[in-house]
Amino acid sequence: TQLLEQSPQFLSIQEGENLTVYCNSSSVFSSLQWYRQEPGEGPVLLVTVVTGGEVKKLKRLTFQFGDARKDSSLHITAAQPGDTGLYLCAGAYSGGSNYKLTFGKGTLLTVNP
Amino acid sequence: GAGVSQSPSNKVTEKGKDVELRCDPISGHTALYWYRQSLGQGLEFLIYFQGNSAPDKSGLPSDRFSAERTGGSVSTLTIQRTQQEDSAVYLCASSLGRVPNQPQHFGDGTRLSIL
Repeated sequence: TQLLEQSPQFLSIQEGENLTVYCNSSSVFSSLQWYRQEPGEGPVLLVTVVTGGEVKKLKRLTFQFGDARKDSSLHITAAQPGDTGLYLCAGAYSGGSNYKLTFGKGTLLTVNP
Repeated sequence: GAGVSQSPSNKVTEKGKDVELRCDPISGHTALYWYRQSLGQGLEFLIYFQGNSAPDKSGLPSDRFSAERTGGSVSTLTIQRTQQEDSAVYLCASSLGRVPNQPQHFGDGTRLSIL
């Protein structure tokens, strides 16, 4: 069974602080996606990374894919209350079906005003 | 609307009853997925449909679970003889499919509670 570990599971910070969320596996991904989910809604895609070492930026969010394509991180700069939500990483494993995603359990982020 | 639509949004039923959950994907999306999200858990893959191909049912947890997709569009997930451990949010997603790394567009889910 391929596992995708996310850490931390919970994170509560003050507005303006920086934070990093991690996603790790012992297996290699062909691609990895980050989603954000708000209460009562489905996840919404933030970014897809496919190349080892790739860095993508989305406003205050920076996503990095590890060189070996086994891990990824999401860094938020100057967090805002609107960033509050459940952040999920999901990977398609190399050698597996490119349509089947394995999801981590998520990081529940709360940004307090 | 333009998004993935799921119904009902909430369902409460007694243990042992059958339930049927519906998903309307985005028009033109050939791929459709069902996931289950339990409290404190990530999304658990259940089943995948792609066009007219045989579905990938490898994630269905037991033979009480089944799904259909009629006409390549609407899908229904049926759970027979429900158990309390079936309580969860059931999410449907669709994508363009057949192209790697396509984003999955999710509905808001059906929150199923088994009493």
